[in-house]
Amino acid sequence: AQSVAQPEDQVNVAEGNPLTVKCTYSVSGNPYLFWYVQYPNRGLQFLLKYITGDNLVKGSYGFEAEFNKSQTSFHLKKPSALVSDSALYFCAVREKAYKLSFGAGTTVTVRA
Amino acid sequence: DSGVTQTPKHLITATGQRVTLRCSPRSGDLSVYWYQQSLDQGLQFLIQYYNGEERAKGNILERFSAQQFPDLHSELNLSSLELGDSALYFCASSEGLAGSRSSYNEQFFGPGTRLTVL
Repeated sequence: AQSVAQPEDQVNVAEGNPLTVKCTYSVSGNPYLFWYVQYPNRGLQFLLKYITGDNLVKGSYGFEAEFNKSQTSFHLKKPSALVSDSALYFCAVREKAYKLSFGAGTTVTVRA
Repeated sequence: DSGVTQTPKHLITATGQRVTLRCSPRSGDLSVYWYQQSLDQGLQFLIQYYNGEERAKGNILERFSAQQFPDLHSELNLSSLELGDSALYFCASSEGLAGSRSSYNEQFFGPGTRLTVL
């Protein structure tokens, strides 16, 4: 069974509009959740993580994510999207032995 | 720039051949992870080393092997290559000591090696 799911292959938004990329998880115990972004022909860049504490996590480039235990979700959000935010976004959960299991990824396209 | 370096950037080879991918972790990081990214399988964890010792194995084929050297750089060896091995191979590093607070640290990824098997 997949530990983390990204239900949307693609998300399209207009520049200046709010951006949400969805992620749900399925792990036993306390989840350690991460968001990464991948630009074309580049490696993955860390955006933010949830380990414990405040359910709203702030990260790089104006992104934030909300941890919701009852809905087992960790959606990535940005209040006002930029064209430069167009990229492939991955949600990940740390599993045993400290490896990351990644979702399938969501391609975000922000149109000018 | 994550501080993780990988060489080569691109590798083109033929079926049946053997290649070695190299990774240098960020300064101070003791853990190295290898991942494979392909269109059909997505991003898959292969193997983890911590301070020279293998710590975790994922979906790594028997034809693949890795090691981490005393200077902490790591190599991923892929042998008897098949067309389906064509993928982007990423190395990542973290401070990561099992059971410690630093094991919650994020992993930093290198730019990847694109392997094409013809």
